[in-house]
Amino acid sequence: AQTVTQSQPEMSVQEAETVTLSCTYDTSESDYYLFWYKQPPSRQMILVIRQEAYKQQNATENRFSVNFQKAAKSFSLKISDSQLGDAAMYFCAYRSAIGGGSNYKLTFGKGTLLTVNP
Amino acid sequence: EADIYQTPRYLVIGTGKKITLECSQTMGHDKMYWYQQDPGMELHLIHYSYGVNSTEKGDLSSESTVSRIRTEHFPLTLESARPSHTSQYLCASSSTGDNQPQHFGDGTRLSIL
Repeated sequence: AQTVTQSQPEMSVQEAETVTLSCTYDTSESDYYLFWYKQPPSRQMILVIRQEAYKQQNATENRFSVNFQKAAKSFSLKISDSQLGDAAMYFCAYRSAIGGGSNYKLTFGKGTLLTVNP
Repeated sequence: EADIYQTPRYLVIGTGKKITLECSQTMGHDKMYWYQQDPGMELHLIHYSYGVNSTEKGDLSSESTVSRIRTEHFPLTLESARPSHTSQYLCASSSTGDNQPQHFGDGTRLSIL
């Protein structure tokens, strides 16, 4: 079974600064997908960024980028120019790429609570 | 913004009551999911469905049941609520396609007294 570990229960960053949230995972599969989701307090969980394991290029979405190290099974999220609206719980998630059956399920880490200080 | 809706947002109810948490999506997604999330904790999959009349239990054992009679509707039912059922329940959906993400509803915060 796959596991996802987020070793930082809480992080804080000054507005306009850069912060990196770490995520490691354990799998025996060679093909899979990785996601970062953001859950603001009492609000809807939304997708921040996704990465296909077969792609060597790191995914980027505006101020959000990832550092995907497949050999190390590491998938960190970098937030540049942090804004107050970035404050939220961030979850790293894994999904197998083997089609069919139960493999559309997501396995989540425990989350990192990000505080942005003005 | 994903069009997936959960009702109610908050529910406080007594032990022994029958509860149905509603989840509907207007995106035509064939796959739908229910997660349970305790405060400050990760999400655990309790049920999923890959299409009409298809339901499966997830990784976390749950006393709840689900049904999928229509593509857009995936309600979750607790026949007799207990305090141990107090949690947040999140519904999600996704379309077919290898890299398609799951879209989440706002969740239902359930408190059983």
